[in-house]
Amino acid sequence: QQQVKQSPQSLIVQKGGIPIINCAYENTAFDYFPWYQQFPGKGPALLIAIRPDVSEKKEGRFTISFNKSAKQFSLHIMDSQPGDSATYFCAATRDVFGNEKLTFGTGTRLTIIP
Amino acid sequence: DARVTQTPRHKVTEMGQEVTMRCQPILGHNTVFWYRQTMMQGLELLAYFRNRAPLDDSGMPKDRFSAEMPDATLATLKIQPSEPRDSAVYFCASGLGEGVGQYFGPGTRLTVT
Repeated sequence: QQQVKQSPQSLIVQKGGIPIINCAYENTAFDYFPWYQQFPGKGPALLIAIRPDVSEKKEGRFTISFNKSAKQFSLHIMDSQPGDSATYFCAATRDVFGNEKLTFGTGTRLTIIP
Repeated sequence: DARVTQTPRHKVTEMGQEVTMRCQPILGHNTVFWYRQTMMQGLELLAYFRNRAPLDDSGMPKDRFSAEMPDATLATLKIQPSEPRDSAVYFCASGLGEGVGQYFGPGTRLTVT
Protein backbone atom coordinates (compact mmCIF):
# COMPACT_ATOMS: atom_id res chain seq x y z
CA GLN A 1 0.00 0.00 0.00
CA GLN A 2 3.01 2.25 0.32
CA GLN A 3 4.05 1.84 -3.31
CA VAL A 4 3.96 4.43 -6.02
CA LYS A 5 4.05 2.88 -9.48
CA GLN A 6 5.65 4.95 -12.24
CA SER A 7 5.75 4.46 -15.98
CA PRO A 8 7.37 4.44 -18.43
CA GLN A 9 10.85 3.50 -17.29
CA SER A 10 12.38 5.49 -20.13
CA LEU A 11 11.08 7.89 -22.73
CA ILE A 12 12.54 9.50 -25.82
CA VAL A 13 10.77 12.52 -27.27
CA GLN A 14 11.64 14.92 -30.02
CA LYS A 15 12.23 18.55 -29.09
CA GLY A 16 8.93 20.40 -28.88
CA GLY A 17 6.98 17.24 -28.10
CA ILE A 18 5.02 16.63 -24.89
CA PRO A 19 6.42 13.81 -22.77
CA ILE A 20 3.94 12.34 -20.30
CA ILE A 21 4.96 10.38 -17.22
CA ASN A 22 2.36 8.52 -15.23
CA CYS A 23 2.13 7.48 -11.60
CA ALA A 24 -0.39 5.55 -9.55
CA TYR A 25 -0.73 5.07 -5.80
CA GLU A 26 -2.80 2.98 -3.39
CA ASN A 27 -2.54 4.71 -0.04
CA THR A 28 -5.39 7.20 0.31
CA ALA A 29 -3.59 8.82 3.24
CA PHE A 30 -1.15 10.40 0.81
CA ASP A 31 -1.86 14.11 0.73
CA TYR A 32 0.96 15.66 -1.26
CA PHE A 33 2.41 14.56 -4.58
CA PRO A 34 5.71 16.15 -5.61
CA TRP A 35 7.72 15.53 -8.73
CA TYR A 36 11.49 15.58 -8.58
CA GLN A 37 13.95 16.15 -11.41
CA GLN A 38 17.41 14.65 -11.20
CA PHE A 39 20.34 15.39 -13.46
CA PRO A 40 23.33 13.01 -13.55
CA GLY A 41 25.58 13.46 -10.56
CA LYS A 42 23.09 15.67 -8.73
CA GLY A 43 20.52 15.18 -6.02
CA PRO A 44 16.81 15.19 -6.86
CA ALA A 45 15.33 18.68 -6.98
CA LEU A 46 11.71 19.52 -6.36
CA LEU A 47 10.09 20.46 -9.65
CA ILE A 48 6.38 20.83 -9.02
CA ALA A 49 3.85 19.42 -6.57
CA ILE A 50 0.12 19.02 -6.20
CA ARG A 51 -2.41 18.29 -3.50
CA PRO A 52 -5.47 16.09 -4.10
CA ASP A 53 -7.96 18.97 -3.85
CA VAL A 54 -7.06 20.22 -7.34
CA SER A 55 -7.07 18.38 -10.67
CA GLU A 56 -4.31 20.30 -12.39
CA LYS A 57 -1.37 22.50 -11.57
CA LYS A 58 0.88 24.37 -14.00
CA GLU A 59 4.25 25.90 -13.43
CA GLY A 60 5.87 27.19 -16.58
CA ARG A 61 6.09 24.33 -19.06
CA PHE A 62 5.38 21.67 -16.43
CA THR A 63 1.85 20.50 -15.65
CA ILE A 64 0.59 17.93 -13.19
CA SER A 65 -2.76 16.31 -13.85
CA PHE A 66 -4.37 14.61 -10.88
CA ASN A 67 -7.22 12.09 -10.85
CA LYS A 68 -8.18 11.47 -7.25
CA SER A 69 -10.82 8.81 -7.94
CA ALA A 70 -8.40 6.78 -10.05
CA LYS A 71 -5.50 7.49 -7.68
CA GLN A 72 -3.34 8.52 -10.59
CA PHE A 73 -1.31 11.58 -11.46
CA SER A 74 0.89 12.52 -14.36
CA LEU A 75 3.52 15.01 -15.40
CA HIS A 76 3.37 16.73 -18.79
CA ILE A 77 6.21 18.82 -20.17
CA MET A 78 5.11 21.30 -22.80
CA ASP A 79 7.46 22.36 -25.60
CA SER A 80 10.13 20.00 -24.30
CA GLN A 81 13.77 21.00 -24.69
CA PRO A 82 17.03 19.02 -24.67
CA GLY A 83 17.78 20.62 -21.29
CA ASP A 84 14.78 18.78 -19.86
CA SER A 85 16.63 15.50 -20.36
CA ALA A 86 16.85 14.06 -16.84
CA THR A 87 15.38 11.40 -14.63
CA TYR A 88 11.99 12.28 -13.21
CA PHE A 89 10.59 10.80 -10.03
CA CYS A 90 7.07 11.06 -8.80
CA ALA A 91 6.55 10.79 -5.06
CA ALA A 92 3.86 10.82 -2.44
CA THR A 93 3.74 11.71 1.22
CA ARG A 94 1.21 12.28 3.96
CA ASP A 95 2.62 15.65 4.87
CA VAL A 96 2.67 18.79 2.75
CA PHE A 97 5.27 20.44 4.95
CA GLY A 98 8.11 18.11 3.96
CA ASN A 99 8.35 16.58 7.39
CA GLU A 100 7.27 13.06 6.51
CA LYS A 101 9.01 10.50 4.40
CA LEU A 102 8.56 10.44 0.65
CA THR A 103 7.59 7.28 -1.17
CA PHE A 104 9.19 7.47 -4.58
CA GLY A 105 8.28 5.99 -7.90
CA THR A 106 10.98 4.07 -9.74
CA GLY A 107 11.91 6.97 -12.01
CA THR A 108 11.62 7.77 -15.71
CA ARG A 109 14.70 8.54 -17.73
CA LEU A 110 13.66 11.19 -20.23
CA THR A 111 15.68 12.06 -23.29
CA ILE A 112 14.72 14.97 -25.50
CA ILE A 113 16.38 14.75 -28.89
CA PRO A 114 17.00 17.91 -30.93
CA ASP B 1 21.79 30.44 -1.19
CA ALA B 2 20.73 27.86 1.41
CA ARG B 3 21.47 24.27 0.51
CA VAL B 4 22.07 20.87 2.03
CA THR B 5 25.74 19.94 2.06
CA GLN B 6 27.18 16.44 2.20
CA THR B 7 30.69 15.15 2.72
CA PRO B 8 32.52 13.38 1.30
CA ARG B 9 31.17 13.55 -2.23
CA HIS B 10 32.95 10.34 -3.19
CA LYS B 11 34.27 7.50 -1.06
CA VAL B 12 36.03 4.34 -2.14
CA THR B 13 36.76 1.84 0.57
CA GLU B 14 37.49 -1.83 1.08
CA MET B 15 35.01 -4.31 2.42
CA GLY B 16 35.02 -4.40 6.19
CA GLN B 17 36.06 -0.78 6.66
CA GLU B 18 34.00 1.79 8.52
CA VAL B 19 32.39 4.56 6.48
CA THR B 20 31.00 7.80 7.88
CA MET B 21 28.96 10.19 5.78
CA ARG B 22 28.02 13.66 6.99
CA CYS B 23 25.21 16.02 6.20
CA GLN B 24 24.57 19.63 7.09
CA PRO B 25 20.85 20.39 6.69
CA ILE B 26 19.54 23.79 5.72
CA LEU B 27 19.57 26.06 8.75
CA GLY B 28 16.19 26.05 10.42
CA HIS B 29 14.96 22.81 8.90
CA ASN B 30 13.84 20.48 11.66
CA THR B 31 13.55 17.23 9.71
CA VAL B 32 16.44 15.35 8.13
CA PHE B 33 16.23 12.29 5.90
CA TRP B 34 18.76 9.76 4.64
CA TYR B 35 18.03 8.08 1.29
CA ARG B 36 19.99 5.54 -0.72
CA GLN B 37 19.86 5.36 -4.51
CA THR B 38 20.83 2.36 -6.61
CA MET B 39 19.96 1.33 -10.12
CA MET B 40 18.18 -1.78 -8.88
CA GLN B 41 16.23 -0.35 -5.94
CA GLY B 42 15.80 3.28 -6.91
CA LEU B 43 15.46 5.78 -4.06
CA GLU B 44 14.96 4.17 -0.67
CA LEU B 45 14.45 5.88 2.67
CA LEU B 46 16.92 4.66 5.27
CA ALA B 47 16.07 6.83 8.27
CA TYR B 48 14.80 10.23 9.30
CA PHE B 49 14.93 12.57 12.26
CA ARG B 50 12.74 15.35 13.53
CA ASN B 51 14.20 17.85 15.96
CA ARG B 52 17.20 15.51 16.14
CA ALA B 53 15.14 12.58 17.41
CA PRO B 54 15.01 9.44 15.23
CA LEU B 55 11.51 8.84 13.90
CA ASP B 56 11.92 5.93 11.54
CA ASP B 57 14.95 3.83 10.76
CA SER B 58 13.10 0.79 9.47
CA GLY B 59 14.78 1.06 6.09
CA MET B 60 18.24 0.62 7.53
CA PRO B 61 20.09 -2.68 8.12
CA LYS B 62 20.58 -2.10 11.82
CA ASP B 63 23.36 -4.60 12.29
CA ARG B 64 25.73 -2.44 10.27
CA PHE B 65 24.13 0.96 9.74
CA SER B 66 23.64 3.71 12.28
CA ALA B 67 22.34 7.24 11.93
CA GLU B 68 22.66 10.09 14.40
CA MET B 69 22.19 13.82 14.78
CA PRO B 70 24.77 15.04 17.26
CA ASP B 71 23.41 18.56 16.86
CA ALA B 72 20.95 20.48 14.69
CA THR B 73 23.59 21.27 12.07
CA LEU B 74 25.00 17.78 11.59
CA ALA B 75 23.58 14.40 10.67
CA THR B 76 25.77 11.33 10.24
CA LEU B 77 25.29 7.95 8.62
CA LYS B 78 27.77 5.26 9.54
CA ILE B 79 28.33 1.83 8.03
CA GLN B 80 30.43 -0.66 9.97
CA PRO B 81 31.52 -3.00 8.53
CA SER B 82 30.91 -1.97 4.93
CA GLU B 83 30.07 -4.53 2.24
CA PRO B 84 30.14 -4.35 -1.58
CA ARG B 85 26.31 -4.35 -1.65
CA ASP B 86 26.40 -1.01 0.20
CA SER B 87 27.80 0.64 -2.93
CA ALA B 88 25.29 3.34 -3.83
CA VAL B 89 24.69 7.08 -3.74
CA TYR B 90 23.54 8.24 -0.32
CA PHE B 91 21.45 11.40 -0.17
CA CYS B 92 20.58 13.58 2.74
CA ALA B 93 17.51 15.80 2.54
CA SER B 94 15.99 18.30 4.91
CA GLY B 95 12.39 19.38 5.31
CA LEU B 96 11.50 23.02 4.86
CA GLY B 97 8.30 22.95 6.83
CA GLU B 98 6.57 25.50 4.59
CA GLY B 99 4.72 23.33 2.12
CA VAL B 100 7.40 23.02 -0.50
CA GLY B 101 8.76 19.58 0.30
CA GLN B 102 12.28 18.37 0.87
CA TYR B 103 15.61 19.69 -0.31
CA PHE B 104 18.22 17.13 -1.28
CA GLY B 105 21.97 17.37 -0.95
CA PRO B 106 24.36 16.45 -3.79
CA GLY B 107 24.91 12.93 -2.43
CA THR B 108 27.85 10.79 -1.40
CA ARG B 109 28.84 8.17 -3.96
CA LEU B 110 30.10 5.16 -2.02
CA THR B 111 32.02 2.34 -3.64
CA VAL B 112 32.94 -0.67 -1.51
CA THR B 113 35.41 -3.06 -3.14
